[in-house]
Amino acid sequence: EAGVTQFPSHSVIEKGQTVTLRCDPISGHDNLYWYRRVMGKEIKFLLHFVKESKQDESGMPNNRFLAERTGGTYSTLKVQPAELEDSGVYFCASSLRGRGTEAFFGQGTRLTVV
Amino acid sequence: AQTVTQSQPEMSVQEAETVTLSCTYDTSENNYYLFWYKQPPSRQMILVIRQEAYKQQNATENRFSVNFQKAAKSFSLKISDSQLGDTAMYFCAFEPLHNNDMRFGAGTRLTVKP
Repeated sequence: EAGVTQFPSHSVIEKGQTVTLRCDPISGHDNLYWYRRVMGKEIKFLLHFVKESKQDESGMPNNRFLAERTGGTYSTLKVQPAELEDSGVYFCASSLRGRGTEAFFGQGTRLTVV
Repeated sequence: AQTVTQSQPEMSVQEAETVTLSCTYDTSENNYYLFWYKQPPSRQMILVIRQEAYKQQNATENRFSVNFQKAAKSFSLKISDSQLGDTAMYFCAFEPLHNNDMRFGAGTRLTVKP
């Protein structure tokens, strides 16, 4: 069974440009999460989808970030326009419905804004 | 809001010895889940061990065990008989019972030395 996959693995863009990150969760997982880790700091929650609905987007830093999950399958996270402080590793994770279930993570997308 | 603190950015241990990674958290909730995740170099984050707050018995998974002190809001991870393959970033995570939103600590980089 395929795990959580993220594309691209690395992205280097200039300040002001747009970048779209993609996450393909494990098939059948209703829950999909986006997290971000800035170098040396904690992994911060960005948002949580249950199927196609945004359950909690309290971690989204500002309106330059837009996440979608079309049809409750894959998800995209768009940053427009990118700023220097957006650099970091963006993780996606998915899990089955239910409490305390294991979350499966992708390898992350390393975003560098220059 | 729940916060998770890992006060040890880096640790090292000799192969075959025991090491304990600390984690504290802050919450007003009574029931929740706690996790330790491991991210080996250049690999995906995977679950090491989980604990339900309503269970008094400490969770164990082979060489991995936790010391869960609910009153102190402490959740340390003990790795016995450390192996070279245990070298990784270790993240402590908290998940409330009423939703699936996990919060992570900043991580502890563990190096197992031969």
